[in-house]
Amino acid sequence: DGGITQSPKYLFRKEGQNVTLSCEQNLNHDAMYWYRQDPGQGLRLIYYSQIVNDFQKGDIAEGYSVSREKKESFPLTVTSAQKNPTAFYLCASRSSGGLYSNQPQHFGDGTRLSIL
Amino acid sequence: GNSVTQMEGPVTLSEEAFLTINCTYTATGYPSLFWYVQYPGEGLQLLLKATKADDKGSNKGFEATYRKETTSFHLEKGSVQVSDSAVYFCALSDGSGGSNYKLTFGKGTLLTVNP
Repeated sequence: DGGITQSPKYLFRKEGQNVTLSCEQNLNHDAMYWYRQDPGQGLRLIYYSQIVNDFQKGDIAEGYSVSREKKESFPLTVTSAQKNPTAFYLCASRSSGGLYSNQPQHFGDGTRLSIL
Repeated sequence: GNSVTQMEGPVTLSEEAFLTINCTYTATGYPSLFWYVQYPGEGLQLLLKATKADDKGSNKGFEATYRKETTSFHLEKGSVQVSDSAVYFCALSDGSGGSNYKLTFGKGTLLTVNP
């Protein structure tokens, strides 16, 4: 079955440590996204990528970095500069077929990051 | 800029009750509208969508009609079940210019259905 795989499901970070969250999709989607979800705040966009080797900052990019070397992969690194990283992180992808605005985003099951 | 406003929760209903979750939006251009559902500990799943005015999206007994005159996309279900307990997100995608690739989400509404 096609879908989006996020790993790990749970991740713990020590102070001063960078951690990388994995996101892989086999839907052949061009666009991929990273969101942060905090209780009562909905989803906030961290980074997005419309095509391989290109990505843009979202609303809360500070303290995060991404890469897009392959179409199917869009890893997110939470750096030590992110002072409040505890959250639920969601990866999504979207088709570029047809009228782009009509296409929904498809989501992975998320990674929950906590500080030790 | 674009924005989505959902009714604040939590919403608590008894099984077989009627559900309405209000959603209104502001957007430039001609947005597409979506409802997503999130079950505990999981990602978001697309519930339904509507891409132009007066379209009605429907799925699993849920419905929502795209009302351009009131800029609304309210979610309804005639008879909820315990299994419908989840967080519901309203979202829009604006088809104009550089925002074409992004969704704007509401803050979500927690629904709890009691047996």
